[in-house]
Amino acid sequence: QVQLVQSAAEVKKPGASVKVSCKASGYTFTSYYIHWVRQAPGQGLEWMGIINPTGGSTNFAQKFQGRVTMTRDTSTSTVYVELSSLRSEDTAVYYCARSEIRTNNYGPHDSWGQGTLVTVSS
Amino acid sequence: EIVLTQSPGTLSLSPGERATLSCRASQSVSSSSLAWYQQKPGQAPSLLIYGTSSRATGIPDRFSGSGSGTDFTLTISRLEPEDFAVYYCQQYDSSPRTFGQGTKVEIK
Repeated sequence: QVQLVQSAAEVKKPGASVKVSCKASGYTFTSYYIHWVRQAPGQGLEWMGIINPTGGSTNFAQKFQGRVTMTRDTSTSTVYVELSSLRSEDTAVYYCARSEIRTNNYGPHDSWGQGTLVTVSS
Repeated sequence: EIVLTQSPGTLSLSPGERATLSCRASQSVSSSSLAWYQQKPGQAPSLLIYGTSSRATGIPDRFSGSGSGTDFTLTISRLEPEDFAVYYCQQYDSSPRTFGQGTKVEIK
């Protein structure tokens, strides 16, 4: 069955960086984009960006430009998101989610990771 | 960026009642690129509806989606106890993908 398994919770100080992983299994890794979506405590969902596991190309929401990096390791079917210059407002649950790679359009997020809580506190 | 506005913020209903959730977009969204997700406390969101009206795998037929252009609706025909949750609409027509702020369906 399709699984996206994320790394454990992290606690970071303001100004630091955090790297969260998402390991995919149960499907062809290069057939689906991986997206990162975050959710601050008690708040809604916020799309951060997307990575194509095939070539590693990325596209980020403007809000995160310059602060976010997304990478992948095809040998382990794992995708990573790294967020730098952390501030308290970055405290959130970070989810990875996949969407099918299609020729003419994009697809919805049909499978999600379990989420990784990142807490930014001094 | 396409802004999605969901209404109402909270819907208080009893099991067996009908729920109607609205999602309005700031500009036209392709009907093939509008989805609804359900999120229960402490869980990741899960896909309910995609392409405005197609149910995801395993979703019961009491859930239905409709709409076009800038106005979309999720209807739950008869609420079951497990349906009380937060629902989000999302457009994936253009980047950045955006979500509505959510509608909480709570037990009255």
